[in-house]
Amino acid sequence: NAGVTQTPKFQVLKTGQSMTLQCAQDMNHEYMSWYRQDPGMGLRLIHYSVGAGITDQGEVPNGYNVSRSTTEDFPLRLLSAAPSQTSVYFCASSRGGVRITEQFFGPGTRLTVL
Amino acid sequence: DAKTTQPTSMDCAEGRAANLPCNHSTISGNEYVYWYRQIHSQGPQYIIHGLKNNETNEMASLIITEDRKSSTLILPHATLRDTAVYYCIVRASYADKLIFGTGTRLQVFP
Repeated sequence: NAGVTQTPKFQVLKTGQSMTLQCAQDMNHEYMSWYRQDPGMGLRLIHYSVGAGITDQGEVPNGYNVSRSTTEDFPLRLLSAAPSQTSVYFCASSRGGVRITEQFFGPGTRLTVL
Repeated sequence: DAKTTQPTSMDCAEGRAANLPCNHSTISGNEYVYWYRQIHSQGPQYIIHGLKNNETNEMASLIITEDRKSSTLILPHATLRDTAVYYCIVRASYADKLIFGTGTRLQVFP
């Protein structure tokens, strides 16, 4: 199993550009989520999904869109990048639907917005 | 979800037990205590979780007080590889979200 994979590892954007951060898992997990981590800070939940076709907002959803068309993939879209979105983005997955058990995290995408 | 309070940082000598405290005085009966850690800039790693009883696995032990208002994560024989930020999280069994705080930065020294 590859676990949770994220692409790209690094990305530099200009203000106003849009892009999609990819996240995939091969563990057949129902639950997937996106977090961001600013320097020296803890993780903040952006969006999450309890299964294909179902998504919901976390703590800091503004400026981001998600969709979940398959169990395996949970892409995060930045609509119009802003410098405040410079951060490290982590994707995570877990089995169990609404009963979150152990979450498995990807290696992260380091995004810089100029 | 109940709020947690952790010390900002702690030190521990290699080979000694590391005891990381967490206060969750507003915890309710259906909320679990989870511990994750984040080594350097990697993705967080699950350590252990519990509801009422003490729990032990190959990584650590979790001691929850009888009133459930606080808990302690114990790494029995800390190594340099255990240097990380440790997050204590409280979550209801029905909740969809796992909310992280700022954690405790544990430094294990030789």
